[in-house]
Amino acid sequence: SQQGEEDPQALSIQEGENATMNCSYKTSINNLQWYRQNSGRGLVHLILIRSNEREKHSGRLRVTLDTSKKSSSLLITASRAADTASYFCATDGELGATNKLIFGTGTLLAVQP
Amino acid sequence: DAGVTQSPTHLIKTRGQQVTLRCSPKSGHDTVSWYQQALGQGPQFIFQYYEEEERQRGNFPDRFSGHQFPNYSSELNVNALLLGDSALYLCASSLVAGNSPLHFGNGTRLTVT
Repeated sequence: SQQGEEDPQALSIQEGENATMNCSYKTSINNLQWYRQNSGRGLVHLILIRSNEREKHSGRLRVTLDTSKKSSSLLITASRAADTASYFCATDGELGATNKLIFGTGTLLAVQP
Repeated sequence: DAGVTQSPTHLIKTRGQQVTLRCSPKSGHDTVSWYQQALGQGPQFIFQYYEEEERQRGNFPDRFSGHQFPNYSSELNVNALLLGDSALYLCASSLVAGNSPLHFGNGTRLTVT
């Protein structure tokens, strides 16, 4: 079963705009990760945020984590056509289950040139 | 530095048959995990191998089995194929240490007819 859900399921924006995706999960976690998947290909790791962190930045990416609400958000600033992909959050759904990631249902992002 | 490689890229099988998928991890990685991704869904954890042993398992039947070799490469075997086994099968490698991001291959697209 999926650990969490991303919201929205699909998002269409223009190049240069910001894109925000949300993720909710169900159990206590050690960390939460975000991955990107281009159509029909493998997932690429974007960023990891630990349970004791509230915000993290990496280039044009900004991730927040609210463990009290069991939710996270991914912000992509100044989006580009190349950002078009599906984005998944993933948690280590069981404490101590090293690298056993539970993925959400994904957000399909389309960036129009 | 080669990343994760999977073979074959595509496979068509008939119900009841057996299939073997192969994965070579990223250089330096010692842990291999397998995921099943149905169309439009997030990846679902099948199992994880470390030191040639299955360490963790998801909610998949015994028809799904695997193996890890001394060079860390891995195989996923599925017996008595069902139509519902049609999916993208993803291999991911990592270090056994916690918080290590997963590196994914591009997957094997299995179609069961």
